[in-house]
Amino acid sequence: DIQMTQSPSTLSASVGDRVTITCRASQSINSWLAWYQQRPGEAPKLLIYKASSLESGVPSRFSGSGSGTEFTLTISSLQPDDFATYYCQHYITYSSYSFGQGTKLEIK
Amino acid sequence: EVQLVESGGGLAQPGGSLRLSCAASGFVFSSYSINWVRQAPGKGLEGVSYISTTSSAIYYADSVKGRFTISRDNAKNSVYLQMNSLRDEDTGVYYCARGYGGNSYHSQHWGQGTPVTVSS
Repeated sequence: DIQMTQSPSTLSASVGDRVTITCRASQSINSWLAWYQQRPGEAPKLLIYKASSLESGVPSRFSGSGSGTEFTLTISSLQPDDFATYYCQHYITYSSYSFGQGTKLEIK
Repeated sequence: EVQLVESGGGLAQPGGSLRLSCAASGFVFSSYSINWVRQAPGKGLEGVSYISTTSSAIYYADSVKGRFTISRDNAKNSVYLQMNSLRDEDTGVYYCARGYGGNSYHSQHWGQGTPVTVSS
């Protein structure tokens, strides 16, 4: 199984900051990577698919990049609604382990 | 509007059974794969099972293989997860999620989840 590792596990930042979350795959997944946002008590929400494609309705301050084994999710200017947990997921094959462990974005 | 509504969760004893349902609306159900994804209390996301559009491809997490069975009824716009021989570690919120398109493995739309508690 391909393992996904996110860093950092927790990130403290302020409104207006630019933040980057990294996701690394244990082997190449080409660009078959998605990013999700999950607020407490809510279902996950798709933000980015195919590594860098912005899902419809998602604010443009969210962007994704990378290919192969290293990927990043960047939020250009944090808004209050953005404090949540973020997960990456590969989808090159089906795997129950396809999700990263999550990055909790906290208010500094 | 795409909607996925899970039901059937609740309290079960270890060794017991539950049947989760996911009722879909707002899209052509037979054209999309469905995932069940769970989240243990305070933990991350874990894929539980996947079913393709025609049920020709079905996958399970190793932790539930032989105990859980996924199925779908395209005429009823519904997916089911039969969970047998439940264990404490099956406790969590179970989400039904629609694939992005065709038989994709990632999910574009998610239900609100149904909680499952396995405890004596």
